[in-house]
Amino acid sequence: AQRVTQPEKLLSVFKGAPVELKCNYSYSGSPELFWYVQYSRQRLQLLLRHISRESIKGFTADLNKGETSFHLKKPFAQEEDSAMYYCALQWASGSRLTFGEGTQLTVNP
Amino acid sequence: ETGVTQSPTHLIKTRGQQVTLRCSSQSGHNTVSWYQQALGQGPQFIFQYYREEENGRGNFPPRFSGLQFPNYSSELNVNALELDDSALYLCASSFDFTGAEQFFGPGTRLTVL
Repeated sequence: AQRVTQPEKLLSVFKGAPVELKCNYSYSGSPELFWYVQYSRQRLQLLLRHISRESIKGFTADLNKGETSFHLKKPFAQEEDSAMYYCALQWASGSRLTFGEGTQLTVNP
Repeated sequence: ETGVTQSPTHLIKTRGQQVTLRCSSQSGHNTVSWYQQALGQGPQFIFQYYREEENGRGNFPPRFSGLQFPNYSSELNVNALELDDSALYLCASSFDFTGAEQFFGPGTRLTVL
């Protein structure tokens, strides 16, 4: 069965520091992975997906099939990055998603 | 372009009652997925509808049912409510079911007493 694990519920960094939000997955098929973000009082929205290989708002994520990981990274965190981040795995045919439990990122001034 | 909307915003029910939640998909989208998000958890997939047909279901009992209408709006119905059904229910629409980006609504907060 598919599973997504985000080991850190809370992560706190200072502005300008690097940040890494961890995500591990288990899935026997070919995975498609996403990071979703929810800013305070806003709806859940897509941040990035691994197939696009884009950098969004300075964030990048590399799919490591050997380690079954899809960690989200940003070299210099900003206060506006404070939000809840969810890693998600798309499985089977169709766009159904399995989410991790989320990591609340706080960037302190 | 109108985004995904959900109604009502909040709802309080008692155990054993039935509830209907509504979702209007984003313009041009024909696929709607429903998720349940318990407090402190990530969203959990309930089921998906594509062109008015159920197109996959998560690990939820049959008392969770749904509909999609010709205009691609959707309903989630839950019968015989239990205390554990208290959660935020999210609707997401997408252009199709083959992996297109999902756009989420603001959710309906259901409390079962």
